[in-house]
Amino acid sequence: SQTIHQWPATLVQPVGSPLSLECTVEGTSNPNLYWYRQAAGRGLQLLFYSVGIGQISSEVPQNLSASRPQDRQFILSSKKLLLSDSGFYLCAWSSTLSPLHFGNGTRLTVT
Amino acid sequence: SQQGEEDPQALSIQEGENATMNCSYKTSINNLQWYRQNSGRGLVHLILIRSNEREKHSGRLRVTLDTSKKSSSLLITASRAADTASYFCATDRNTGNQFYFGTGTSLTVIP
Repeated sequence: SQTIHQWPATLVQPVGSPLSLECTVEGTSNPNLYWYRQAAGRGLQLLFYSVGIGQISSEVPQNLSASRPQDRQFILSSKKLLLSDSGFYLCAWSSTLSPLHFGNGTRLTVT
Repeated sequence: SQQGEEDPQALSIQEGENATMNCSYKTSINNLQWYRQNSGRGLVHLILIRSNEREKHSGRLRVTLDTSKKSSSLLITASRAADTASYFCATDRNTGNQFYFGTGTSLTVIP
């Protein structure tokens, strides 16, 4: 069966520090991969999606970037965090015609 | 960016009652999906309805889709306290691999 791992679960970082969140998927090949952000009490905003290694599409210009160095690995990064980067970050995967399968999320607080 | 909105934003009902949530979206779609999110966790897929379908059932869930009105509804019958969660609709804007979420309905079922 397929599983998705996302870590860390919580993270507190100072403004201006770098960020790296990692997500890995097991049990499937060539998945579509996604990063979403959820502000407190709000809906999900699609940040990045990827249909293959090295193929990243960005939805919203921002202080973040994403990379897919391996088929089942998706990384969300920032060189310098802003206060506005605080939120709940969710990684997800899907395959053709399948729904999204989410990780448990990372709660990021930028102080 | 958000694809649409759910209403109501919050709903509180007694156990055993039915809960109805609505979702409106803005663009044409291939399919519409409903997800559930327990507080502080990732989303879990509930049901998918394709653009050529009008109604779909899964256990106590009933979803309808009206593409002419660009709207969908999720009905949870005979609600239970364990149904307390946030519910989101998501559409693919005819892309097939990018999913956009609404703002969510927070459901509280009172025992």
